[in-house]
Amino acid sequence: GAVVSQHPSWVICKSGTSVKIECRSLDFQATTMFWYRQFPKQSLMLMATSNEGSKATYEQGVEKDKFLINHASLTLSTLTVTSAHPEDSSFYICSARDFRGTFNEQFFGPGTRLTVL
Amino acid sequence: KQEVTQIPAALSVPEGENLVLNCSFTDSAIYNLQWFRQDPGKGLTSLLLIQSSQREQTSGRLNASLDKSSGRSTLYIAASQPGDSATYLCAVPMNNAGNMLTFGGGTRLMVKP
Repeated sequence: GAVVSQHPSWVICKSGTSVKIECRSLDFQATTMFWYRQFPKQSLMLMATSNEGSKATYEQGVEKDKFLINHASLTLSTLTVTSAHPEDSSFYICSARDFRGTFNEQFFGPGTRLTVL
Repeated sequence: KQEVTQIPAALSVPEGENLVLNCSFTDSAIYNLQWFRQDPGKGLTSLLLIQSSQREQTSGRLNASLDKSSGRSTLYIAASQPGDSATYLCAVPMNNAGNMLTFGGGTRLMVKP
């Protein structure tokens, strides 16, 4: 299957700093990527849809000024958590759809664990 | 609004047992349904994807079935092994145009040796 990578795998930062997470499709192009957040022992919740060359679409309740998304190329989307606070600590996972196949299958990155002190 | 529910939330079985994980969804007009596996602290691994026109998909010891009319899918794991221990998630697209997924709460499986 298609491969999606994320960087970094985990990050610890002080409250008030900004953290950038990268999501890359390694062997396919993805015009659309998705960012999810997962709190401990909970399922994944969609945060936003990242569209190459245009603005991201945010889900209700997600602050677009706090979670900045940039999809500058067909293989890279970035999520920047601005002025991070302890409540932003979570597991962030991105996904992308491989349009080469006939199925609408999504492939997920390995996730990034963010801990804000 | 589509809601996805998984039962049971947690399951512990001895090695070798056959087991069934259940997934239900409220809106039967789905495009497809996907089963994932998630190991602790890790991302998601796609296990099986069933298109709306299909009734089941098989991969090794895994078999997933889909009954759109009743809003249900099951994941059958044959001859379970300790390495199968993980959280299993089912998900459906939020609409036919996009691919944003709505996830169930997951079933945490523990297979004891």
